[in-house]
Amino acid sequence: GALVYQYPRRTICKSGTSMRMECQAVGFQATSVAWYRQSPQKTFELIALSTVNSAIKYEQNFTQEKFPISHPNLSFSSMTVLNAYLEDRGLYLCGASPYWGNYAEQFFGPGTRLTVL
Amino acid sequence: QQKVQQSPESLSVPEGGMASLNCTSSDRNFQYFWWYRQHSGEGPKALMSIFSDGDKKEGRFTAHLNKASLHVSLHIRDSQPSDSALYFCAVSDSGGSNAKLTFGKGTKLSVKS
Repeated sequence: GALVYQYPRRTICKSGTSMRMECQAVGFQATSVAWYRQSPQKTFELIALSTVNSAIKYEQNFTQEKFPISHPNLSFSSMTVLNAYLEDRGLYLCGASPYWGNYAEQFFGPGTRLTVL
Repeated sequence: QQKVQQSPESLSVPEGGMASLNCTSSDRNFQYFWWYRQHSGEGPKALMSIFSDGDKKEGRFTAHLNKASLHVSLHIRDSQPSDSALYFCAVSDSGGSNAKLTFGKGTKLSVKS
């Protein structure tokens, strides 16, 4: 089956420091990887969408300078939260999509929960 | 304005009952609908997608899409305690692998045994 793993599951960092998180797809080729942040109120914010052989597209209010993303192959992606502050806390989810025909489902990992002190 | 509106915010049904959840898109460009379910401590998992008018049934779950009104509903029959979770409606402007999903705020379903 299609599985997505995320590391670490939980992390705590001091305000102003940086944190790298990883996403691994198993059982399928992750043609696209989307990174989201889920707030404590459970709402989703799309940070960026990375598609193989295309530029990474960041959403408004999110920048490469703050959230650099790497998507080097069809099974792995990583994202770093640079200079993390209190407003960056939340559950960071990656959703990976294979290319199966015309329509693709996003398979999500369990998330990396970021706490900023 | 929120692009995806979900209702109700929370819902409680007895075990064996029918749960009905609603979702409306406010942008006519976004006509591809997904339902995701998220249990506590886990990432969301896709339940089903619906892209055409009418009903789509998968086991105890039935989705109904009305493209004219951009409204989709999800009905869960014979609800089980294990169905207790957050249910999210997500919409996109395409169904391809590079589709950008926009999520609603979710409906919290509680199934009481």
